[in-house]
Amino acid sequence: NAGVTQTPKFRVLKTGQSMTLLCAQDMNHEYMYWYRQDPGMGLRLIHYSVGEGTTAKGEVPDGYNVSRLKKQNFLLGLESAAPSQTSVYFCASSYWAGVSTDTQYFGPGTRLTVL
Amino acid sequence: AQKVTQAQTEISVVEKEDVTLDCVYETRDTTYYLFWYKQPPSGELVFLIRRNSFDEQNEISGRYSWNFQKSTSSFNFTITASQVVDSAVYFCALSDAGGTSYGKLTFGQGTILTVHP
Repeated sequence: NAGVTQTPKFRVLKTGQSMTLLCAQDMNHEYMYWYRQDPGMGLRLIHYSVGEGTTAKGEVPDGYNVSRLKKQNFLLGLESAAPSQTSVYFCASSYWAGVSTDTQYFGPGTRLTVL
Repeated sequence: AQKVTQAQTEISVVEKEDVTLDCVYETRDTTYYLFWYKQPPSGELVFLIRRNSFDEQNEISGRYSWNFQKSTSSFNFTITASQVVDSAVYFCALSDAGGTSYGKLTFGQGTILTVHP
C-alpha cells in the first residue's frame, strides 16, 4: 500500500514549456486534490476531483488543467509554464465517509522550478 | 469565505520548553472540521489531528495537545517538553463538513517551529 505517490519529485522547466504532473493513489479514494505551496502562503487549492471523469476549479486554477480518466490517477498539466508557477505541488486524496469527507492524505510533493 | 490565520510566522524555543502554536479561523458554516498538519524538513505533510466542530473537548496525544474554543474561533496546538525532532512547519487547516464542500481544505500560512538543543 503506497498511499499517494507523485511523479516526478523535481522538475526544472523553461518559460513556455509544458509538462504533466502525475498523482496516483491506491486507497480507492473518490476525491483527489492538487495544491500548491508557496512561502508564507500555506497551501492553496488548484483543482479537485470528486470522481472519475469529473474535475472542478479551486482557489488558484489559472494556468493549470487537470484530468481524471481513472479513479486512481489525477493529472495536473501546465500548458505554457510561467515563472509564477514555480512552487511545490502536493496531491491529496480522501474518501467519502457517508456523512462527510474523511481526512486528506498527501503525496510527497513535486518541486517545480520555471526559469 | 473561509479563512485560517496563523499569526506566528516563526517560533524559536530551546529543547524541553513548552510551545503553543496559535490558529484562528473564520467560517460561516455551522459544521466544519479543523486539522493540524506537520511538515518536517524532508517536505512531506504529516496529518496530526482532525476535530469536528461539535466536539470541543481538548485532546492529548503524548506530548501534543489541542485546545479547541468555538467561542473564540481558535484551535491552538501545544507541544510539551519540545524536542529537536519537533522542528518543522505546522499548518492549521479548515474544511466545511457539508457534502458539497468535498472536503476542500483552507490552510493557514504555517508556523515555522525551530527547537534548539
